[in-house]
Amino acid sequence: DAGVTQSPTHLIKTRGQQVTLRCSPKSGHDTVSWYQQALGQGPQFIFQYYEEEERQRGNFPDRFSGHQFPNYSSELNVNALLLGDSALYLCASSLGADPSPTNEKLFFGSGTQLSVL
Amino acid sequence: GQSLEQPSEVTAVEGAIVQINCTYQTSGFYGLSWYQQHDGGAPTFLSYNALDGLEETGRFSSFLSRSDSYGYLLLQELQMKDSASYFCAVPNQAGTALIFGKGTTLSVSS
Repeated sequence: DAGVTQSPTHLIKTRGQQVTLRCSPKSGHDTVSWYQQALGQGPQFIFQYYEEEERQRGNFPDRFSGHQFPNYSSELNVNALLLGDSALYLCASSLGADPSPTNEKLFFGSGTQLSVL
Repeated sequence: GQSLEQPSEVTAVEGAIVQINCTYQTSGFYGLSWYQQHDGGAPTFLSYNALDGLEETGRFSSFLSRSDSYGYLLLQELQMKDSASYFCAVPNQAGTALIFGKGTTLSVSS
């Protein structure tokens, strides 16, 4: 049973460029959430996708956008990259027809390490 | 808003017991989760407490006191492989995402 897979594992971009990160959820999961983890910090919620729509969004600017495909995989796009966007981007999958009142267990991928120069 | 506080670093030796504390401030509370993350790895789920008390899973236990907005993760019989970062987390107001603490780096030495 494949877990959450993310690609690429590492990426180097320059300021102003655009980047697309990809995620395949754990088999059987239909909900994908994206988190940003800066060095030495905990993951911060970016947004969540369910049924190909953004269900909820954290405190991130519109430069961060996403997409979910019919097979539940997802993309995270970041436009006009800033130095401060350098971080580990984590994808988490779960199963949820309705927003879970507990959300007690997320399955994370190993992330994409993005460096912006 | 919601926030969590946990110590930044803890050190211990193999075979010892260590406790990682977490205090939280939330508007609405569903439960407290703990995740482990090794360097360069994915955060992995360890435990979840929705009710007060102690939950035991092998060498790891987690405790919650809702009246004190406090919980802890207890790691027993420490092994070198337990060296990692440990995060406490609570669901956001909508219950759709997790709010994480800044993490506690545990270093286990021989």
